[in-house]
Amino acid sequence: AQKITQTQPGMFVQEKEAVTLDCTYDTSDPSYGLFWYKQPSSGEMIFLIYQGSYDQQNATEGRYSLNFQKARKSANLVISASQLGDSAMYFCAMRGLLSGNTPLVFGKGTRLSVIA
Amino acid sequence: DGGITQSPKYLFRKEGQNVTLSCEQNLNHDAMYWYRQDPGQGLRLIYYSQIVNDFQKGDIAEGYSVSREKKESFPLTVTSAQKNPTAFYLCASNPGLAGGRDTQYFGPGTRLTVL
Repeated sequence: AQKITQTQPGMFVQEKEAVTLDCTYDTSDPSYGLFWYKQPSSGEMIFLIYQGSYDQQNATEGRYSLNFQKARKSANLVISASQLGDSAMYFCAMRGLLSGNTPLVFGKGTRLSVIA
Repeated sequence: DGGITQSPKYLFRKEGQNVTLSCEQNLNHDAMYWYRQDPGQGLRLIYYSQIVNDFQKGDIAEGYSVSREKKESFPLTVTSAQKNPTAFYLCASNPGLAGGRDTQYFGPGTRLTVL
């Protein structure tokens, strides 16, 4: 079984600054994947970035990067140069990679507010 | 355009009535999922299906039922047995080709309110 913990219910960041959203996880799977999604007020879930547990490098996608620390079981999302449009809920999720199409397990999310 | 559609976007029902939420995908994905989201909460898994004519219960399946008769369709029925059905319901799918590395794609969601 997997568990995701996001300890920051809400975060504020000044426009153009960087922000880190925390995510810790627990799993007994030897191989697993970690995902981050963004949910604007419209409700849609937007995939941001993926990190595999055996990937050699931390994942990056544009302004998003993942600070993956396997020994600490953390997969924090870093958003650089924040924009007003980044204001949304952010969810960390994971699944074991040895079991195919099993559903993602989600954390409770962090609400990010970007201030002008 | 390929994607996942959910209808309707807003749904109101009277207490004691069953209601069916639609989820259709034209992405040719094998796996489909239903999640429930309550205000300020994460997504909780209701049911999922990894292949046509097969599905499994998730963490909160009580009061819900599903069918998977076609690859592209995975409707969710909220029955009168579901004690607190007012929530935001999200349908998702993924290809099932990359051993779990696949991204899960989501529909726009249906907001159900019980009056």
